[in-house]
Amino acid sequence: EDKVVQSPLSLVVHEGDTVTLNCSYEVTNFRSLLWYKQEKKAPTFLFMLTSSGIEKKSGRLSSILDKKELFSILNITATQTGDSAIYLCAVKTSYDKVIFGPGTSLSVIP
Amino acid sequence: DSGVTQTPKHLITATGQRVTLRCSPRSGDLSVYWYQQSLDQGLQFLIQYYNGEERAKGNILERFSAQQFPDLHSELNLSSLELGDSALYFCASSPGTSVNNEQFFGPGTRLTVL
Repeated sequence: EDKVVQSPLSLVVHEGDTVTLNCSYEVTNFRSLLWYKQEKKAPTFLFMLTSSGIEKKSGRLSSILDKKELFSILNITATQTGDSAIYLCAVKTSYDKVIFGPGTSLSVIP
Repeated sequence: DSGVTQTPKHLITATGQRVTLRCSPRSGDLSVYWYQQSLDQGLQFLIQYYNGEERAKGNILERFSAQQFPDLHSELNLSSLELGDSALYFCASSPGTSVNNEQFFGPGTRLTVL
């Protein structure tokens, strides 16, 4: 059965800290891995990763995929209170089936 | 604002009833995805339509059905509702079916079954 696992499930840090969120997966016919940020409303897209070893970066956020070890990490440097959210990892398989992980709840305190 | 609209925003109904959730994708997007998000199950992929045809199926119950119309809006029909169907239902759209297409999520419909 296809599955996506995220760790930790919950994280509390102080502003300015750097955090690393983990996502591992076991799926058949992997096509891509996506990261989303969900605050009070709908998830918003962060990154899509399809190739191993190529870092994607957007401001203080970056992500990388390891297709051999079947995991991805999402790094957030110099965290701010506005980074507080649930971070969702999802894997797309063939025929566009999408499997989401349970999410990591990040709380950044001043 | 992602450009994806969903109605209604909230829906409260009783067990055994049937409801219809509506989604209008972003202009030009051909693919529509439906997701269910509950506290204990997280975000679950239900079904995808592309240009009017079913493309992929996830954990969708037999009591649930969906369709995509010629104008590309989509409806998710939930019948014989149970308490456990209470959840946030998201619709997302993307331009096509390529795995490189980002999905844009609508604001969701919160369904409460009493």
